[in-house]
Amino acid sequence: QPVLTQSSSASASLGSSVKLTCTLSSGHRNYLIAWHRQQPGKAPRYLMKLDGSGSYNKGSGVPDRFSGSSSGADRYLSISNLQSEDEADYYCETWDSYTQVFGGGTKLTVL
Amino acid sequence: QLQLQESGPGLVKPSETLSLTCTVSGGSISSSTYYWGWIRQPPGKGLEWIGSIYHSGNTYYNPSLKSRVTISVDTSNNQFSLRLSSVTAADTAVYFCARKTDHFDYWGQGTLVTVTS
Repeated sequence: QPVLTQSSSASASLGSSVKLTCTLSSGHRNYLIAWHRQQPGKAPRYLMKLDGSGSYNKGSGVPDRFSGSSSGADRYLSISNLQSEDEADYYCETWDSYTQVFGGGTKLTVL
Repeated sequence: QLQLQESGPGLVKPSETLSLTCTVSGGSISSSTYYWGWIRQPPGKGLEWIGSIYHSGNTYYNPSLKSRVTISVDTSNNQFSLRLSSVTAADTAVYFCARKTDHFDYWGQGTLVTVTS
């Protein structure tokens, strides 16, 4: 079963850019993942699906400020022109035939 | 617009069974494309997948919860349900229902269930 590792926290200034990382466990580096954003007190919202080549497909209505990329076992979520509403927890998710797995989440603070 | 809405008791006593229902609107639970799932989030913690179900009744459960979890589907009412037996304080969490392709893509708003005597 795959394991996803995320940094617990990150911070960046309003209007700047940030890159969040989700790392797949050994033996699972080719897995696809999904990114979700969870604003305080709300349900998660699906952002995008991302493969190992860096190709991604965003969910409906996800702003152009959000993009994805990959390098080896690392999957990245980049956010440009940070807005106050981007202050949230970001979770990555992966799956195999019979299970779903979430990373521990990264709390993003917008300064 | 697809919507999912969780419902059920907000308080459950230790050792009893937690029961929740997710009502799907704006789409059919019998669609061949999707599975449907339950995810929970203890206060201040991360997301934990509980299990998923297909409209045929095919289910997959988190191995860590499998002995206590039952997920069922009611296609006539466009609903699916969660039962978690022998609950303890550790099962206190916000419970979300969601739609799944290979990943979750639509989420309900969540419902807080507190296990307390």
